[in-house]
Amino acid sequence: EAQVTQNPRYLITVTGKKLTVTCSQNMNHEYMSWYRQDPGLGLRQIYYSMNVEVTDKGDVPEGYKVSRKEKRNFPLILESPSPNQTSLYFCASSLSIRGPNGYTFGSGTRLTVV
Amino acid sequence: KQEVTQIPAALSVPEGENLVLNCSFTDSAIYNLQWFRQDPGKGLTSLLLIQSSQREQTSGRLNASLDKSSGRSTLYIAASQPGDSATYLCAVPGGFKTIFGAGTRLFVKA
Repeated sequence: EAQVTQNPRYLITVTGKKLTVTCSQNMNHEYMSWYRQDPGLGLRQIYYSMNVEVTDKGDVPEGYKVSRKEKRNFPLILESPSPNQTSLYFCASSLSIRGPNGYTFGSGTRLTVV
Repeated sequence: KQEVTQIPAALSVPEGENLVLNCSFTDSAIYNLQWFRQDPGKGLTSLLLIQSSQREQTSGRLNASLDKSSGRSTLYIAASQPGDSATYLCAVPGGFKTIFGAGTRLFVKA
């Protein structure tokens, strides 16, 4: 089944403890992206990647890192999480940003930083 | 800079009613437009994808239209059901990003 898989689904952590949220797609998509979703603010793009070793900042990149060493994987790294990074996170992928396939989303990771 | 607006922000209708959700965008030079459904706390499920060369797409009770010249798309839901209750979002590519609308929260009353 074609899908984007995120792990973990739920995570509670403490301020400053480094964490990684994994994202993997099995569709050979070139484009991958991370979003966070907060009440009243909608979906905001954190980072995106056009292909292996090609990444760029989205609208809210502060406090996050990403890497794209393999086409299928695009992990999101929080080096020193803070409570304002408590959010619902989504990974998404697409064959190309310009379509024709559109976006496929993962199921989300609910992160709580205390 | 591409901006996407969805109206209304929330909608409550009785079961069986036909309804229209609206999505407008400021830059008409888009490659495609995608409609998603999101249930509370869950991921986004793609409903329909309209390419820039298309005028509409249909899937079951859903029909999405695209008018690039006016910067608008509509999602038509026929014979609404309580199971249609969710938030509906539209999205368009903006440069190397994808721009989402804030969504329309739909509640269908049984």
